[in-house]
Amino acid sequence: DAGVIQSPRHEVTEMGQEVTLRCKPISGHDYLFWYRQTMMRGLELLIYFNNNVPIDDSGMPEDRFSAKMPNASFSTLKIQPSEPRDSAVYFCASSFRRGAVSGNTIYFGEGSWLTVV
Amino acid sequence: AQSVTQPDIHITVSEGASLELRCNYSYGATPYLFWYVQSPGQGLQLLLKYFSGDTLVQGIKGFEAEFKRSQSSFNLRKPSVHWSDAAEYFCAVGARGSARQLTFGSGTQLTVLP
Repeated sequence: DAGVIQSPRHEVTEMGQEVTLRCKPISGHDYLFWYRQTMMRGLELLIYFNNNVPIDDSGMPEDRFSAKMPNASFSTLKIQPSEPRDSAVYFCASSFRRGAVSGNTIYFGEGSWLTVV
Repeated sequence: AQSVTQPDIHITVSEGASLELRCNYSYGATPYLFWYVQSPGQGLQLLLKYFSGDTLVQGIKGFEAEFKRSQSSFNLRKPSVHWSDAAEYFCAVGARGSARQLTFGSGTQLTVLP
C-alpha cells in the first residue's frame, strides 16, 4: 500500500523565495496533518484538516505560512517569503476517523527537508 | 492540556543488551499512547500503541511497552537490541477531545555499540 507521499524530499532555496511542499495522504484517510521538526522545538503540529477543511491552524507560526487542501488526495504547505529560520523537516501525516484522539494511528510521510540560505 | 516527557535525551547500549526507554505523560484521563521510531533521514514509523485493554502491548521489531496508570508512564522495552535499532524514538499522547491530536515528547536518541 502506498503511504503518505511528500514532495520534494529535499529543497534548498534562497531567503525570500516561495516554497511549496506537497502531500498526498493515504487513500481513504479523512484527516491530514502538517508537522514541523527542528532540533530546538522538536515536532510541532502546524495545522490539520478534516475532510479537506482546516480544523486547527494555531500552530502555524506566522502569516508567511499557509496550507490548503483542495481535495481529499492533495495538500500543500506554502512559505512565502521563506527565511533561514524556516529550515526544518516538514512532515505530512494522515489518519482515519479522528486520528489519535480516537486511538487511531497517524501515518507519517518521509518528510520534506527544507534548507533556506 | 496533555504533555509528554522523555527524560533521556540519549541512551547508549551494546548490541544484545536489553533496552528500556522512559516516557511519562500528563493527562487527566486515560490517554491514547504511541511510540514512534525515526531512522536517520526517514519519517516516523509507528512501533506500537495503547488505547485500552491489556496494559502490556506488543509492537513491531520485537518492541513492547507497558502502560502504568499509577506512574503515568508508558516505557518502551526490548529484550535484545540489534544494531539496526539505532534511531530516535518518540513517545506521543493522543487525548480524547483534544483538538491538538498527537503531542510528542522530545525524543530519545538510541546508539547501539557493536
